[in-house]
Amino acid sequence: RKEVEQDPGPFNVPEGATVAFNCTYSNSASQSFFWYRQDCRKEPKLLMSVYSSGNEDGRFTAQLNRASQYISLLIRDSKLSDSATYLCVVRPGGADGLTFGKGTHLIIQP
Amino acid sequence: EPEVTQTPSHQVTQMGQEVILRCVPISNHLYFYWYRQILGQKVEFLVSFYNNEISEKSEIFDDQFSVERPDGSNFTLKIRSTKLEDSAMYFCASSALDRDEQYFGPGTRLTVT
Repeated sequence: RKEVEQDPGPFNVPEGATVAFNCTYSNSASQSFFWYRQDCRKEPKLLMSVYSSGNEDGRFTAQLNRASQYISLLIRDSKLSDSATYLCVVRPGGADGLTFGKGTHLIIQP
Repeated sequence: EPEVTQTPSHQVTQMGQEVILRCVPISNHLYFYWYRQILGQKVEFLVSFYNNEISEKSEIFDDQFSVERPDGSNFTLKIRSTKLEDSAMYFCASSALDRDEQYFGPGTRLTVT
């Protein structure tokens, strides 16, 4: 199972700022891409799927670059409640199981 | 909003004992999964289950592990003879037949002493 790489952070960001995370994946046959968030000692919660054309959900925008094997997440107007670990997740082609990155820790400061 | 549920929330067991972790997937979902997360590490896939059989398993899912859907609602993970290194958070997840998105339960924290 190939890897998903993320900057672990922490990213310390003032409330209201825009923050961006990136991740790279090594399996070029990967088919599905997701961002999950995980609060301390809790389960991963699906934030959004990532589509080739890019997609937006409220303050969150995700982009996929298949050629560079790179996924990004942009959070605009960050809130205190956005503080969490953001997990970049990939499903390799033909596989059922998800491959998780170690996550990027985000701290929004008042 | 439908949720995946898991019991117990915390299980403490002695090395060599058998444990069974229980999950109730979202009711109209047909694919079920187990993952684990050792403290401070990434979430790792263990096994997927569809149509009453294992669909895929990782190298972690060795002969000590088994899964079962004993009835129409429960999905279980059994560890036959626990080792210290089995201590982790175990997450159950489910997905609908025609969707990729997997939804996770709150996890069972397994502590092997």
